[in-house]
Amino acid sequence: EVQLVESGGGLVQPGGSLRLSCAASGFTFRSFWMSWVRQAPGKGPEWVANIKQDGSEKYYEDSVKGRFIISRDNAKNSLYLQMNSLRVEDTAVYYCAKVVTGRYNDYWGQGTLVAVSS
Amino acid sequence: DIQMTQSPSSVSASVGDRVTITCRASQGISRWLAWYQQKPGKAPKVLIYDASSLQSGVPSRFSGSGSGTDFTLTISSLQPEDFASYYCQQANSYPLTFGGGTKVEIK
Repeated sequence: EVQLVESGGGLVQPGGSLRLSCAASGFTFRSFWMSWVRQAPGKGPEWVANIKQDGSEKYYEDSVKGRFIISRDNAKNSLYLQMNSLRVEDTAVYYCAKVVTGRYNDYWGQGTLVAVSS
Repeated sequence: DIQMTQSPSSVSASVGDRVTITCRASQGISRWLAWYQQKPGKAPKVLIYDASSLQSGVPSRFSGSGSGTDFTLTISSLQPEDFASYYCQQANSYPLTFGGGTKVEIK
């Protein structure tokens, strides 16, 4: 059974940093692209970042470029999102998601809440 | 960036009704489109990918069509468990973008 479990969310002040983690199991993690997708309260999903199987390619949503870094450790079956210079508008539930056919998200975690507020 | 526009933003329907949701891309995306269903407090679930391919385990009452800029999700006979929000997402180019969503409500 595929499982994705996020952790690391919490309350942080504007300008602060957080590192999200996602522990993957039930599939061959190193064989798949992975994503972070977020959802602000009452809003639709917003794609944040994708990373290739070996970490050699990374793509970001425009508003997080230069502030967020996606990474992975295939030996630990783990995905990460380092979030710096956080803004109030980054407040959202952050989901880790597996990518299928290189394009779509077929499995999602339960999400971790990031709240940016003073 | 490619903008995805969904309509309607909400629809009221009864069990057994046929429901159609449309999604328009601001530029051609071939067939690189997915449809997701989301229930309150839960993560999105992929229903359709590549515009018309049914994800494994998804009931056959869900179908997708379209290519280029115009796409449709159809629920042929609405069931109680289908009351939820639905989102399209383009996967043609980065940044990947979602539509604004359609809430299917009980009439």
